[in-house]
Amino acid sequence: EIVMTQSPATLSVSPGERATLSCRASQRISSNLAWYQQKPGQAPRLLIYGASTRATGIPARFSGSGSGTEFIFTISSLQSEDFAVYHCQQYNDWPYTFGQGTKVEIK
Amino acid sequence: QVQLVESGGGLVKPGGSLRLSCAASGFSFSDYYMSWIRQAPGKGLEWVSYISSSDSTIYYADSVKGRFTISRDNAKNSLYLQMNSLRAEDTAVYYCARDSLVPGYWGQGTLVTVSS
Repeated sequence: EIVMTQSPATLSVSPGERATLSCRASQRISSNLAWYQQKPGQAPRLLIYGASTRATGIPARFSGSGSGTEFIFTISSLQSEDFAVYHCQQYNDWPYTFGQGTKVEIK
Repeated sequence: QVQLVESGGGLVKPGGSLRLSCAASGFSFSDYYMSWIRQAPGKGLEWVSYISSSDSTIYYADSVKGRFTISRDNAKNSLYLQMNSLRAEDTAVYYCARDSLVPGYWGQGTLVTVSS
């Protein structure tokens, strides 16, 4: 099973600042990586797939990069609605696995 | 618009059974792979199972293999998860999701609590 490790566990950021999240895969997964946003009491929302392609309707302030084992997710200028937990997920091999999540909180 | 509505969760004793349902609308259900993904309280997400559009391909996580059965009824636009021999570690919110690789649509989830 491919283990996905996200860092940091919690990121404290002020509104308007940039947030950078990391996700590492225990083995190479090409660009088969997705990012999701989850707010309390809600289902995850797909933001990015293919490591860098924004899903339909996702604002341009959300971006992703990387391939192989190292991936980065960036929110260029945090809005109030962006404070949430972010999950990465690999879909290169079954079982598809998620990271443990990074909580982005208000500084 | 795409809607996925789960039902069937609840409190069950260890060793018991539950059947979850997911009613789909707003898209051609028979054209899509479907998945069940769960999230234990305060924990991360775990992919439980997925099923192909014609149910010819089915995958399970090792943690549920032999105990859970995924199925679908394309005529009723419905997805199911039969859960047997439930354990405390199966306690989670169970989400129905469209697609098998990168789910773009999720239901609101149904809570399954396994406790004596």
